[in-house]
Amino acid sequence: GQQVMQIPQYQHVQEGEDFTTYCNSSTTLSNIQWYKQRPGGHPVFLIQLVKSGEVKKQKRLTFQFGEAKKNSSLHITATQTTDVGTYFCAGSDNYGQNFVFGPGTRLSVLP
Amino acid sequence: EPEVTQTPSHQVTQMGQEVILRCVPISNHLYFYWYRQILGQKVEFLVSFYNNEISEKSEIFDDQFSVERPDGSNFTLKIRSTKLEDSAMYFCASRETSSRETQYFGPGTRLLVL
Repeated sequence: GQQVMQIPQYQHVQEGEDFTTYCNSSTTLSNIQWYKQRPGGHPVFLIQLVKSGEVKKQKRLTFQFGEAKKNSSLHITATQTTDVGTYFCAGSDNYGQNFVFGPGTRLSVLP
Repeated sequence: EPEVTQTPSHQVTQMGQEVILRCVPISNHLYFYWYRQILGQKVEFLVSFYNNEISEKSEIFDDQFSVERPDGSNFTLKIRSTKLEDSAMYFCASRETSSRETQYFGPGTRLLVL
């Protein structure tokens, strides 16, 4: 079955440093979503990517979908303490009938 | 801001008992999902539901699980005979249409099976 992997598992950064998490799928995806989950909270939708090579930006966050639609990345520029949480990618190969989540990257930001 | 609600927030049950987890999706949404997250682990897809029937289900969603939309607002997940390994946070999510990308998650129900 479809598997989604993410690296790194944990990342500790100093406030102001950049952060990147990478997501890889074992199958070609129709779409990929990114979520943020704060400790004790629920996943909060950040963005969806659909097109091959697509790049989307949200303020300090940059999301990229690979040309082969099997990998994706999330990059945060100049991290802030409010960025703390676990970032999950979730891939679908059937246009959203189901999503397979990656294991997440837990980000810690030291002030 | 519209939100998905879930009840109860916490449920403790004995192994072998039946539990029903309830969700009220956002009112104009048509696609509904159940996920679970074992403590400290990733979010796992259980089932998706559209037009009063299951669209997709994962291997986790075996005969012990069932979903229902008993009326126009509630969406329920039933576990017939709970096992210890069913202990997890269960999230409901909903989406407006297939072209509306945002999937809204509820706050979750923490299920503990003793």
